[in-house]
Amino acid sequence: RKEVEQDPGPFNVPEGATVAFNCTYSNSASQSFFWYRQDCRKEPKLLMSVYSSGNEDGRFTAQLNRASQYISLLIRDSKLSDSATYLCVVRNSGYALNFGKGTSLLVTP
Amino acid sequence: SAVISQKPSRDICQRGTSLTIQCQVDSQVTMMFWYRQQPGQSLTLIATANQGSEATYESGFVIDKFPISRPNLTFSTLTVSNMSPEDSSIYLCSVEVRLTEAFFGQGTRLTVV
Repeated sequence: RKEVEQDPGPFNVPEGATVAFNCTYSNSASQSFFWYRQDCRKEPKLLMSVYSSGNEDGRFTAQLNRASQYISLLIRDSKLSDSATYLCVVRNSGYALNFGKGTSLLVTP
Repeated sequence: SAVISQKPSRDICQRGTSLTIQCQVDSQVTMMFWYRQQPGQSLTLIATANQGSEATYESGFVIDKFPISRPNLTFSTLTVSNMSPEDSSIYLCSVEVRLTEAFFGQGTRLTVV
């Protein structure tokens, strides 16, 4: 079983829609959680960190449920420019990051 | 933040040959990593490049196949040795700043024929 699992999608949504991505992780000792965005043929870039209390950054809201080992990302009012692959990333103890396969999002006009 | 220059951006290589990928960072960083991203797969950590000592390899990766150099705190190389078509992948170097954000090079897209 992979350490970080995501629904690969693709998610096809119209502009303005709200879309949610889910991610589960297997290591209960995981300490840090992130969502990264990867555009086609580009390197991953940090979208937001995920905090235990949940956090919001504009149209993006991230939630963490440690008991269920579950992370979510909610995107409101989707824009065409949100089309990308969203990577769920978890850090256990130490420095190594564990990446999910990513969830593909396509926002259509 | 950190700006990373990685080269080459892509290459097509004959099987049995080796390719060295370079990664230059615009500031001194302690932690530098090498990842592989195979088509349709997640990023997989190959090794941590340690300055002044041997790299630390993850399970499934060995020094003979992926030798790494880290001569100083701003530069590292990864060599993919004795390549086979299974090595075709994107290779990315990465640095972390205060364990809050990972920055990546643009990636090297390798095709082995």
